[in-house]
Amino acid sequence: LAKTTQPISMDSYEGQEVNITCSHNNIATNDYITWYQQFPSQGPRFIIQGYKTKVTNEVASLFIPADRKSSTLSLPRVSLSDTAVYYCLVGPHSGTGGFKTIFGAGTRLFVKA
Amino acid sequence: NAGVTQTPKFQVLKTGQSMTLQCAQDMNHEYMSWYRQDPGMGLRLIHYSVGAGITDQGEVPNGYNVSRSTTEDFPLRLLSAAPSQTSVYFCASSYSTSGESYNEQFFGPGTRLTVL
Repeated sequence: LAKTTQPISMDSYEGQEVNITCSHNNIATNDYITWYQQFPSQGPRFIIQGYKTKVTNEVASLFIPADRKSSTLSLPRVSLSDTAVYYCLVGPHSGTGGFKTIFGAGTRLFVKA
Repeated sequence: NAGVTQTPKFQVLKTGQSMTLQCAQDMNHEYMSWYRQDPGMGLRLIHYSVGAGITDQGEVPNGYNVSRSTTEDFPLRLLSAAPSQTSVYFCASSYSTSGESYNEQFFGPGTRLTVL
């Protein structure tokens, strides 16, 4: 499984755009990139998933360059409630081989007023 | 749908005791998994299952057993609790829309386990 590297922590202010970059140099051909958000005392919650180029949903965008060795989660106009830990996961989607996923330490985002 | 439910929410055990953490999902997901999360750390995969009757080990399986007799339930058994197993345990489920790829995982609220 591809190992991921993220910044340990980031600070931001309300209303700003936040970009969290994840490095995954050993990503395999059939690996997808998935981001989760976790609040204290809660289980992780899915944010966004992609394979290549750009993916956008109602809460975030995911930018993946052509070589797929990194990805960037973009959170537009963050609010205090976006303070959480964000995890980048890289792993295969295999119906027969299993769905092993590895959560790293994540990035602790702290949004200030 | 209740989603993924876990019981109990809190548990205190003495060293050497055994217990079962329950996990159930009502979304008919074929994939289920168990993670543990130690303070300030990411989640580590303990065991997972891609369907009833099929289980496999994750990153940290020692000291834990699982079984999957139904699609809905995926209990985690601690055979002989140790203080090193003090952690928060999360159960998750996922589904495949194509038979080849899985989508996002849905996590339960967690069980906080303390082993004295």
